[in-house]
Amino acid sequence: EPEVTQTPSHQVTQMGQEVILRCVPISNHLYFYWYRQILGQKVEFLVSFYNNEISEKSEIFDDQFSVERPDGSNFTLKIRSTKLEDSAMYFCASTSPNRGPEAFFGQGTRLTVV
Amino acid sequence: AQKITQTQPGMFVQEKEAVTLDCTYDTSDPSYGLFWYKQPSSGEMIFLIYQGSYDQQNATEGRYSLNFQKARKSANLVISASQLGDSAMYFCAMREGMESGGYQKVTFGTGTKLQVIP
Repeated sequence: EPEVTQTPSHQVTQMGQEVILRCVPISNHLYFYWYRQILGQKVEFLVSFYNNEISEKSEIFDDQFSVERPDGSNFTLKIRSTKLEDSAMYFCASTSPNRGPEAFFGQGTRLTVV
Repeated sequence: AQKITQTQPGMFVQEKEAVTLDCTYDTSDPSYGLFWYKQPSSGEMIFLIYQGSYDQQNATEGRYSLNFQKARKSANLVISASQLGDSAMYFCAMREGMESGGYQKVTFGTGTKLQVIP
């Protein structure tokens, strides 16, 4: 069963440092997303990405955030200068109109900013 | 305004009993999809079931069924014959603009924590 994979599963970083969260979406999927879930809270949309550009982004996705698909398989989320409030679980997801309506989620990366 | 509302922050159910998790939604888009995801304590998001706005029949997947009442804008999840492994957080979610293609984001509710009691 194809799946979305995320690395690392847990990252601890110092406040102000840059982090890159990595995702490998399902092969042949066309649309990619990042979501965030602060501990115990709802899952929030950050950004969607299609055809090598951002399709939509939320208010959370400010200039500190960027996304990239550097090769044909990886999809990354970069946080330039982390803040304490960036501590959360970050989920990558992918979809394809030819593969059913549901978004397939990775297992998440738990980011802890200290 | 909240697009997805889950009014039950926590629920208990006896093992082998059925349980209904409530979800109401708000949209003016005629083409939308409703989803339920399960999030166990390990953190991953597991897709359970999908209902399209134009689907005439309620969706079913094994022990999961979706009680879709379009006029009331509700999409309750019914889990039959609860098992201990069903203890988890359950999120109702919606994607609008389903006819436009596959990139519309999924909007989540706040979740319901289900605990199955032996």
